[in-house]
Amino acid sequence: EAGVAQSPRYKIIEKRQSVAFWCNPISGHATLYWYQQILGQGPKLLIQFQNNGVVDDSQLPKDRFSAERLKGVDSTLKIQPAKLEDSAVYLCASSPVPSTSGGARVDTQYFGPGTRLTVL
Amino acid sequence: GDSVTQMEGPVTLSEEAFLTINCTYTATGYPSLFWYVQYPGEGLQLLLKATKADDKGSNKGFEATYRKETTSFHLEKGSVQVSDSAVYFCALSDWETSGSRLTFGEGTQLTVNP
Repeated sequence: EAGVAQSPRYKIIEKRQSVAFWCNPISGHATLYWYQQILGQGPKLLIQFQNNGVVDDSQLPKDRFSAERLKGVDSTLKIQPAKLEDSAVYLCASSPVPSTSGGARVDTQYFGPGTRLTVL
Repeated sequence: GDSVTQMEGPVTLSEEAFLTINCTYTATGYPSLFWYVQYPGEGLQLLLKATKADDKGSNKGFEATYRKETTSFHLEKGSVQVSDSAVYFCALSDWETSGSRLTFGEGTQLTVNP
């Protein structure tokens, strides 16, 4: 089974430029997530899609970040304009229909390799 | 809100040593708990998980037990190998309050020397 694919793997831009990242989830996974991982920190959720609808974008800086998942499959995350503090690894994850374990609903997420963004 | 606290790293061990990485959490609801591992240059991989109190997750010789009374989910391995060198993240998801969003700790860098 193919994993979550992301591109590019690395991107270097200057501040105020625009950048876009692409993610293709595992086939059949309805839920897609974008996380931001700043160096030395744990990942932080930016946005979650269920099929092509947004479930949670409460931590997305909407003045500069946008994301879409038009056909309910692959997704694009865009930053415009970029700031120095946007330097991070952007991780995409996907999950299948949640399972139930011991009465608890469990959503196992599978992560891609990430895109490392450097803003100069 | 929900949060996860991990022991500070980095941790350096000799091969075959015993490993413990501490993890405690704060959650409003009744969360599921996870350990993820990130090898150099790779994405996060699920190592193990537990969904209710006293559950023990295990994989590749690693274990962690969900302790509701101490709000902890410490990661252990009896004999580490050089190939275990990676960053380890403790995480939770609290379905009742934040759906399937994962809340991560800061990560603990483990280096195992031969």
